[in-house]
Amino acid sequence: DADVTQTPRNRITKTGKRIMLECSQTKGHDRMYWYRQDPGLGLRLIYYSFDVKDINKGEISDGYSVSRQAQAKFSLSLESAIPNQTALYFCATSDSVGGEYEQYFGPGTRLTVT
Amino acid sequence: AQSVTQLGSHVSVSEGALVLLRCNYSSSVPPYLFWYVQYPNQGLQLLLKYTSAATLVKGINGFEAEFKKSETSFHLTKPSAHMSDAAEYFCAVSPSASKIIFGSGTRLSIRP
Repeated sequence: DADVTQTPRNRITKTGKRIMLECSQTKGHDRMYWYRQDPGLGLRLIYYSFDVKDINKGEISDGYSVSRQAQAKFSLSLESAIPNQTALYFCATSDSVGGEYEQYFGPGTRLTVT
Repeated sequence: AQSVTQLGSHVSVSEGALVLLRCNYSSSVPPYLFWYVQYPNQGLQLLLKYTSAATLVKGINGFEAEFKKSETSFHLTKPSAHMSDAAEYFCAVSPSASKIIFGSGTRLSIRP
């Protein structure tokens, strides 16, 4: 079984709809991240969380919100989706203890906003 | 501010040829450096990482990268390309424990 899972894997939604992307991990890591990937732009950080009570904005947090329901779960919400939020979204985890900053990624969620 | 520049958004090599993917970084402190690979319809997978233990780093699938502080570079190489190496490759720098900054990616194509 995958260590970092994301649901759904694909989603098509309409402008103005609320949508939630979910991420779960079994790695036991304390840190979790949400990125979006756009062609030619690499990955850009949306939000990150160092533990359940520590949530921080990344470089492109406008239009997004997150919830860290438990150490293993980190969800990303689009309150009112817009077409330029069409992208590939990745969740990642890392370990603050003994880790050397590397992050482990889920398989991604392809979101299309029409 | 820390940043990563990958030279060439698309690199094409013949099967069996040398693979060279270029990465330059800027960082005000000694960084951790990474190469990640993304196969089609998959997430990113760690290929190798530099953590100051050795300047030549060996990774999975025969890839290696050399940290050159004087050139602020961390280029990725593989002596002989395989068809299975076709993927997108991301260089990344982590100046602190709070974040990783990714380059824009290089798509590697392998010609038969």
